[in-house]
Amino acid sequence: GENVEQHPSTLSVQEGDSAVIKCTYSDSASNYFPWYKQELGKRPQLIIDIRSNVGEKKDQRIAVTLNKTAKHFSLHITETQPEDSAVYFCAASSGNQFYFGTGTSLTVIP
Amino acid sequence: KAGVTQTPRYLIKTRGQQVTLSCSPISGHRSVSWYQQTPGQGLQFLFEYFSETQRNKGNFPGRFSGRQFSNSRSEMNVSTLELGDSALYLCASSLVVAGGAYEQYFGPGTRLTVT
Repeated sequence: GENVEQHPSTLSVQEGDSAVIKCTYSDSASNYFPWYKQELGKRPQLIIDIRSNVGEKKDQRIAVTLNKTAKHFSLHITETQPEDSAVYFCAASSGNQFYFGTGTSLTVIP
Repeated sequence: KAGVTQTPRYLIKTRGQQVTLSCSPISGHRSVSWYQQTPGQGLQFLFEYFSETQRNKGNFPGRFSGRQFSNSRSEMNVSTLELGDSALYLCASSLVVAGGAYEQYFGPGTRLTVT
């Protein structure tokens, strides 16, 4: 089955700096790669996603890149703000089978 | 549209008991998946239902079961509860979008504590 690895597990950045979270996957059949943000005590929220026929997608301060050949994808957050502090999960999906990374706890220091 | 709802939000049970959790998906979503979330293991896939049929199943013991009704609402049941079953149980409903991918949206979860 699919195996998704996510790094780093914790990340601290100064407000205004950029944050990058990286994930790798093993199954070349995976074709959809969402990212979720989970604030403390809340549900995971879909923040951005990318499909396998696209290399990069951007939505305001967040962007995701995908390298199908190397089987890795990354989340980039620019101009970080304290409200970006949360746990971020990547996932790889084929059909409706989702495999999640173990999460990155991001802390933005004011 | 209303989001995914789960009931109850919190539950305390003792070892050996059984529990049933409920999930109502977003209107129009026919696929419902269940996950167990624990601090050490992250999000672990339990099973997925589509049109009342279990399509996918994760690596959990048979004590964990589920079902889906004709209105897409889903329930999961855990029998003979163990201390290790304490976790946040998340339900997610999915919709097929362009390209055949599924977009998945989570409910608020049910926090189960087994004592």
